[in-house]
Amino acid sequence: DTEVTQTPKHLVMGMTNKKSLKCEQHMGHRAMYWYKQKAKKPPELMFVYSYEKLSINESVPSRFSPECPNSSLLNLHLHALQPEDSALYLCASSQWAANEKLFFGSGTQLSVL
Amino acid sequence: GQNIDQPTEMTATEGAIVQINCTYQTSGFNGLFWYQQHAGEAPTFLSYNVLDGLEEKGRFSSFLSRSKGYSYLLLKELQMKDSASYLCAVATGGGNKLTFGTGTQLKVEL
Repeated sequence: DTEVTQTPKHLVMGMTNKKSLKCEQHMGHRAMYWYKQKAKKPPELMFVYSYEKLSINESVPSRFSPECPNSSLLNLHLHALQPEDSALYLCASSQWAANEKLFFGSGTQLSVL
Repeated sequence: GQNIDQPTEMTATEGAIVQINCTYQTSGFNGLFWYQQHAGEAPTFLSYNVLDGLEEKGRFSSFLSRSKGYSYLLLKELQMKDSASYLCAVATGGGNKLTFGTGTQLKVEL
């Protein structure tokens, strides 16, 4: 199994809603990542988890709250988002660190109304 | 800070060879990656360079010069399915962080 699975594939939410994005991998990878990608732009790093601990937060607003319940799961909790947060949210994993091949999920396309 | 630059767009002909350049200025260096991303899909790994020189993998080759902060991806025998965005990415932070460049949209024409 070399897949990273993200759910949901599409999400539409209002600015007062609370929602969560989920990511799962069963490759035994110990590093997991959240990236945000706007149309026709490269992915931008948001968070890095290493051995289930948050190791990098790229100054992401607190309305995005990551969580790593165990080594296979990564969540991104969303609350009081703004329309400019609409983007593709990509989850990725790697064996140990970012200087290895990253496996990406197919992403969640988020629209904030 | 990190600065990773690529040409925005390139066009090439089916069967030809194309070279996509990437220049970088980063705080630290733990390797350089190339990823391919088709529209609406996730990025997929193409190549990895950590030492200077050329890495060849089928129709794809990648070159790195650390002293010049420069890499290129060479695609040979272009096919229509190679039309995609090509992303250069640099690992830093002791290998904990991967930052993507601006991306190059390649269009392969008949």
